[in-house]
Amino acid sequence: ELKVEQNPLFLSMQEGKNYTIYCNYSTTSDRLYWYRQDPGKSLESLFVLLSNGAVKQEGRLMASLDTKARLSTLHITAAVHDLSATYFCAVDWTGNQFYFGTGTSLTVIP
Amino acid sequence: DTEVTQTPKHLVMGMTNKKSLKCEQHMGHRAMYWYKQKAKKPPELMFVYSYEKLSINESVPSRFSPECPNSSLLNLHLHALQPEDSALYLCASSQRTSAYYEQYFGPGTRLTVT
Repeated sequence: ELKVEQNPLFLSMQEGKNYTIYCNYSTTSDRLYWYRQDPGKSLESLFVLLSNGAVKQEGRLMASLDTKARLSTLHITAAVHDLSATYFCAVDWTGNQFYFGTGTSLTVIP
Repeated sequence: DTEVTQTPKHLVMGMTNKKSLKCEQHMGHRAMYWYKQKAKKPPELMFVYSYEKLSINESVPSRFSPECPNSSLLNLHLHALQPEDSALYLCASSQRTSAYYEQYFGPGTRLTVT
């Protein structure tokens, strides 16, 4: 059974601080996706990571992938309130099946 | 146009009703998906259509019946639902780039079963 787990599930952090969200998955896959979801809204694609060692950055978010460890991280630098949302990682298995992680609900406190 | 549209936005139905959810995209994508998302949970894959053929059915109960009339449209027919089927139903479409599937999500239909 394919498992995609994230931790922490809930994260409350102060503005200006740094933190990392972890995504572990149980299958061999070279494709790892990160999404953001605001309350009551749909999913917004953030990053696609395609190979071992891949690193992508956009603003205060940086994602990386270690396929050997089956681990992806989403690093938040100097958090701001606008980053408050739920973040999901997802693994693309067999090329057309997406399985989502458990999600991390991030709240940035002023 | 990188938009996936879904109608209706909200739906309330009784357990004996029959209703349908609709999803549309005009990006030329040949894969379309239905997901179910309960509150504070990740989206769960229900169905995948590839080139208008059902390619994946994740053991979804038969009270959910998908249909792909053409490459731009995806429907989800609902009948005899249970209250636990209340959720946000997300449609997505994707196209394969050289190395991965780029998935676009619609805004979702919030379904309440009474």
